[in-house]
Amino acid sequence: DQQVKQNSPSLSVQEGRISILNCDYTNSMFDYFLWYKKYPAEGPTFLISISSIKDKNEDGRFTVFLNKSAKHLSLHIVPSQPGDSAVYFCAASAGHQGGSEKLVFGKGTKLTVNP
Amino acid sequence: EAGVVQSPRYKIIEKKQPVAFWCNPISGHNTLYWYRQNLGQGPELLIRYENEEAVDDSQLPKDRFSAERLKGVDSTLKIQPAELGDSAVYLCASTGQGPNEQYFGPGTRLTVT
Repeated sequence: DQQVKQNSPSLSVQEGRISILNCDYTNSMFDYFLWYKKYPAEGPTFLISISSIKDKNEDGRFTVFLNKSAKHLSLHIVPSQPGDSAVYFCAASAGHQGGSEKLVFGKGTKLTVNP
Repeated sequence: EAGVVQSPRYKIIEKKQPVAFWCNPISGHNTLYWYRQNLGQGPELLIRYENEEAVDDSQLPKDRFSAERLKGVDSTLKIQPAELGDSAVYLCASTGQGPNEQYFGPGTRLTVT
């Protein structure tokens, strides 16, 4: 039973265009969501997060949108750069106020940004 | 500031052999996690420590896996005996108080032949 789903295994975009990565979840108890980026042979690197009390969080070229009613979040990268090519994982946790909760990850989406 | 350190980075063993992985979290981080990442999947939690106490080990296959964090700092994860299906990347992560961003080490890629 996958509680966090990333239905697109891969995405290819042109440099300078927008990349949109999608994530769906099923557990209503999730209240904190994160995106991680992973390069080959490295561990996942934290990118951006959003609490369930917000519907948008922006950090430079990266914006995460949360639609709680649809149990859906998305990561927008504008403009996309070749260095953004990596695997992107969506993750969720319940009980954010507890701080160090277990993360449940999706399977990842491999983003390729073509020059 | 140094990140999460893991060793070894790669390990190849024959099935039925034991293997151990080591992790040193970011200084001051009280919470330490071990995850396993199978090919084409996201990381899955094996065990979570708060200081030296294992507070969530529900996903750890206890018949062959064990872990310890004796002084609440670094940690070891052991598999004995290893099986073919244990081939995966084993990731260690840590976090401090407050926000939920976990910081991951580079992982140990285990191949069981």
